[in-house]
Amino acid sequence: AQKITQTQPGMFVQEKEAVTLDCTYDTSDPSYGLFWYKQPSSGEMIFLIYQGSYDQQNATEGRYSLNFQKARKSANLVISASQLGDSAMYFCAMREGHDMRFGAGTRLTVKP
Amino acid sequence: NAGVTQTPKFRILKIGQSMTLQCAQDMNHNYMYWYRQDPGMGLKLIYYSVGAGITDKGEVPNGYNVSRSTTEDFPLRLELAAPSQTSVYFCASSVTVPEGTEAFFGQGTRLTVV
Repeated sequence: AQKITQTQPGMFVQEKEAVTLDCTYDTSDPSYGLFWYKQPSSGEMIFLIYQGSYDQQNATEGRYSLNFQKARKSANLVISASQLGDSAMYFCAMREGHDMRFGAGTRLTVKP
Repeated sequence: NAGVTQTPKFRILKIGQSMTLQCAQDMNHNYMYWYRQDPGMGLKLIYYSVGAGITDKGEVPNGYNVSRSTTEDFPLRLELAAPSQTSVYFCASSVTVPEGTEAFFGQGTRLTVV
């Protein structure tokens, strides 16, 4: 069963605007972690942000913030003030127990 | 800092051949993972290990084998390569605490089976 769902195959955003990338997850484990990774066209995986299931506040890292709605099982990534260099694939991931699984990804294109 | 090192970076295999993808990390991480990423898709977990001598299957283990004889190394073995195994393979590692720790990734191995 799919545990991580990213429903937006592709997204476009104007430079300097904010964009939200959606992620929903499914787990019955009370303890889990949620991650977002960026994969530019060069192929490497770049860690962006982490949210723990027990964290009371939404995580923020510079221009990245994670909109964590536990009851809805969603962990959306918000990128503020988009830059051309933000154009990439973005993957949501969940760690529960020992393994870590990824969603299908969203391709973000920032328009000048 | 080396981090997670994967070799080779590229490889072309013929159907039925075997090979081992190497992965080494120098961060003393207990957790290690192998993923495959098909074109335009997300990462699928093949195998993972929580420490030397301990491995377990992920989502797509068929056609692969792993071993973990040391903390540093986590090789992935392909037996009888098939075109369906054409993919980019990523190795990753993290420290022991499972939920709150990011996984560090290698640069990937691009494998083509013809």
